Amino acid sequence: KNQVEQSPQSLIILEGKNCTLQCNYTVSPFSNLRWYKQDTGRGPVSLTIMTFSENTKSNGRYTATLDADTKQSSLHITASQLSDSASYICVVSARNSGGYQKVTFGIGTKLQVIP
Amino acid sequence: GAVVSQHPSWVICKSGTSVKIECRSLDFQATTMFWYRQFPKQSLMLMATSNEGSKATYEQGVEKDKFLINHASLTLSTLTVTSAHPEDSSFYICSARSASRLAYEQYFGPGTRLTVT
Repeated sequence: KNQVEQSPQSLIILEGKNCTLQCNYTVSPFSNLRWYKQDTGRGPVSLTIMTFSENTKSNGRYTATLDADTKQSSLHITASQLSDSASYICVVSARNSGGYQKVTFGIGTKLQVIP
Repeated sequence: GAVVSQHPSWVICKSGTSVKIECRSLDFQATTMFWYRQFPKQSLMLMATSNEGSKATYEQGVEKDKFLINHASLTLSTLTVTSAHPEDSSFYICSARSASRLAYEQYFGPGTRLTVT
């Protein structure tokens, strides 16, 4: 069964500090992994997309890593800002024989940045 | 680019009535659209996948007669919640995928908050 597990479930950090969110998955065959930011009451917004051959990808203060061998990914946020407070969702896609991608969502990590 | 809109952003309806939610891709043609439901503190759950011009494919446990999906054009998909009940109250999010853009990228709408009283 394809699963995506995220940790921690919630996190509170001081403004300006760094943090790292974790994502472990059992999705197979792996196609790609995406990190989304979802503000409360809003739809998810894509931060990074990583395929099998990519180990790291940055988007501003966000840096995602992928270890396809251990099936782990992390999202590192540098110099956090109050606006970073949101849920961060790890989404992993598997490609089936028909070419259609089966997407599995993690439950998300709720990050709160405080002054 | 790659903007997806939803209308309405929130709706309150009485039990037993039907509600239609629209999902539009504003600057690209969406060959595939997805409808998700998200309950508080839970992950997005895929309800159905629709390809333009064909019938939607529903996930197990989702009643297709209750959640009617129409994807009549490359820029518009609608979800109609028929005979809504309080347990249908949720956050409904659509996403769209384009054949001309990254094959694995989904662009999400802002969501529609449905409250059934």
